[in-house]
Amino acid sequence: AQRVTQPEKLLSVFKGAPVELKCNYSYSGSPELFWYVQYSRQRLQLLLRHISRESIKGFTADLNKGETSFHLKKPFAQEEDSAMYYCALLQAGTALIFGKGTTLSVSS
Amino acid sequence: GAGVSQSPSNKVTEKGKDVELRCDPISGHTALYWYRQSLGQGLEFLIYFQGNSAPDKSGLPSDRFSAERTGGSVSTLTIQRTQQEDSAVYLCASSPTSGTKTGELFFGEGSRLTVL
Repeated sequence: AQRVTQPEKLLSVFKGAPVELKCNYSYSGSPELFWYVQYSRQRLQLLLRHISRESIKGFTADLNKGETSFHLKKPFAQEEDSAMYYCALLQAGTALIFGKGTTLSVSS
Repeated sequence: GAGVSQSPSNKVTEKGKDVELRCDPISGHTALYWYRQSLGQGLEFLIYFQGNSAPDKSGLPSDRFSAERTGGSVSTLTIQRTQQEDSAVYLCASSPTSGTKTGELFFGEGSRLTVL
């Protein structure tokens, strides 16, 4: 069965420290993976998608098919990065399925 | 134009009552999704509508939950005989395609349901 696992409920780092939010998936086909973010009192929104190989707000994520992972990384965390982050997997022909989310807290 | 609109934003009801939650997607978006967001459970997929195709109801947790989409636009999620475990934020999202091409969903602000 398709599944997205985010092992950390909460990740707390200091400003300027590197950040890595973990995501592992199980999927039998060719996966399409995404990271969504929800800032305080804002709507859930797309942060980035693996197929675009883009960097958004300093965040990058690389799909590792061997390890079935799609970890989100940023070299230097900022306080404004504090939010809830969801990893998501696109199932062919149907809906996105999401992990349980990781709360990132960046303090000064 | 306006984003995805959901109503009510907050709903408090008594156990056993029925509730209806409404979603107005972005105009022209053919795909519409309902998710449930609760502490510790993340975002649970409930149901997915794509154009005139039969909806994917595989995420509905019980037969107390149902949803319809009229005229390919507005959708209503109905929960019958509510239980306390139904308390959550119900999120609606729409997408300009089936979602399989871009994976970008546009979310509403959610309807927070509290069952006493």
